[in-house]
Amino acid sequence: DGGITQSPKYLFRKEGQNVTLSCEQNLNHDAMYWYRQDPGQGLRLIYYSQIVNDFQKGDIAEGYSVSREKKESFPLTVTSAQKNPTAFYLCASSISQLTRNIQYFGAGTRLSVL
Amino acid sequence: KQEVTQIPAALSVPEGENLVLNCSFTDSAIYNLQWFRQDPGKGLTSLLLIQSSQREQTSGRLNASLDKSSGRSTLYIAASQPGDSATYLCAALNAGNMLTFGGGTRLMVKP
Repeated sequence: DGGITQSPKYLFRKEGQNVTLSCEQNLNHDAMYWYRQDPGQGLRLIYYSQIVNDFQKGDIAEGYSVSREKKESFPLTVTSAQKNPTAFYLCASSISQLTRNIQYFGAGTRLSVL
Repeated sequence: KQEVTQIPAALSVPEGENLVLNCSFTDSAIYNLQWFRQDPGKGLTSLLLIQSSQREQTSGRLNASLDKSSGRSTLYIAASQPGDSATYLCAALNAGNMLTFGGGTRLMVKP
């Protein structure tokens, strides 16, 4: 059953804590993306990766970090430097970032601050 | 920088009504325009993708049109059903192959 799996579904962060959101895909896609969605708003790009061991900042990368050690995995760390982390986080993938392919989305992780 | 706007932000209609959702974008140099559906607390599902060279795309009761010159796209839903209730997002793909999303239209179809 091919697709994108995000975990956990819900996550709580304490003040000053770093938390990591998982995103795994078995679609054999080269490109992966992280978006943030605030209530009533569209998605904003945090980071994207065109290929393994490569990633680029999106529009709102401050306070976040990523890694791309494996093709199928693109974890997002929300660091303590992100002062307003409460949001819905969506991971997506596409065949290639260099061509104009449809992006497929995971079910999302809702992050809240304790 | 591309900006995408969706109006209205929310819409409530009785079942069976035909409806139109609007999407406007500021930079007409787009590669394609996509419409997505998002159910509460869920990810996005791609509904229709219109290439820049196309004027419309159809899938079942859904029809999406694109007018690049005026910076507008519409999503037409025929004979709406309660199961159509969701948030609909449009997104424009520009140079660099990055998607810019609108804020979405939250649709409620009442039985």
